[in-house]
Amino acid sequence: QKEVEQDPGPLSVPEGAIVSLNCTYSNSAFQYFMWYRQYSRKGPELLMYTYSSGNKEDGRFTAQVDKSSKYISLFIRDSQPSDSATYLCAMRNSGGSNYKLTFGKGTLLTVNP
Amino acid sequence: GAVVSQHPSWVICKSGTSVKIECRSLDFQATTMFWYRQFPKQSLMLMATSNEGSKATYEQGVEKDKFLINHASLTLSTLTVTSAHPEDSSFYICSASPGHSNQPQHFGDGTRLSIL
Repeated sequence: QKEVEQDPGPLSVPEGAIVSLNCTYSNSAFQYFMWYRQYSRKGPELLMYTYSSGNKEDGRFTAQVDKSSKYISLFIRDSQPSDSATYLCAMRNSGGSNYKLTFGKGTLLTVNP
Repeated sequence: GAVVSQHPSWVICKSGTSVKIECRSLDFQATTMFWYRQFPKQSLMLMATSNEGSKATYEQGVEKDKFLINHASLTLSTLTVTSAHPEDSSFYICSASPGHSNQPQHFGDGTRLSIL
């Protein structure tokens, strides 16, 4: 079993739809959870950064972490064509920011106008 | 804040030459930077962890003599691909985070390396 599982998609939705992206993980030591957005031929851009369980909202984006289920989600409301990208979940333990990240495979999202 | 700059963004060179890629943290100091490699439609693969003032830590299977890493200052790490061959063609990305223990990693925009 891989440490982090993420459905690679592709996922195609109409403009304005609510998008749900998910990752599951097996390592209970993970404490910090991130979502990155990556456009083609660009580096990943940090979208959301959360610690332990709970919800965090930033504009149209909401990140949820359920440590008891080892499950994290990213919701995108009112999706726009500019949201079309690959979304990567990433996580690390509590040892500090210099500890390496474990990534999901990424989900390719297309938002159709 | 937390901007990471990577240069060059794209390089094409002949087989056998060496290529240097720079990674800079523009508005913070980074004692640790990370170097990744990414193949098309795949996730990031960590190559090495670069520590300021000391030797880099390479992941299993990464040739340290092929991929030389130097982290000479708190804002600059370099990756040199030595005697590059077509199989080294890939997308290389660096990341760094501010020194505070709870800060996330921020990524550069990547370097597309094409070896002819």
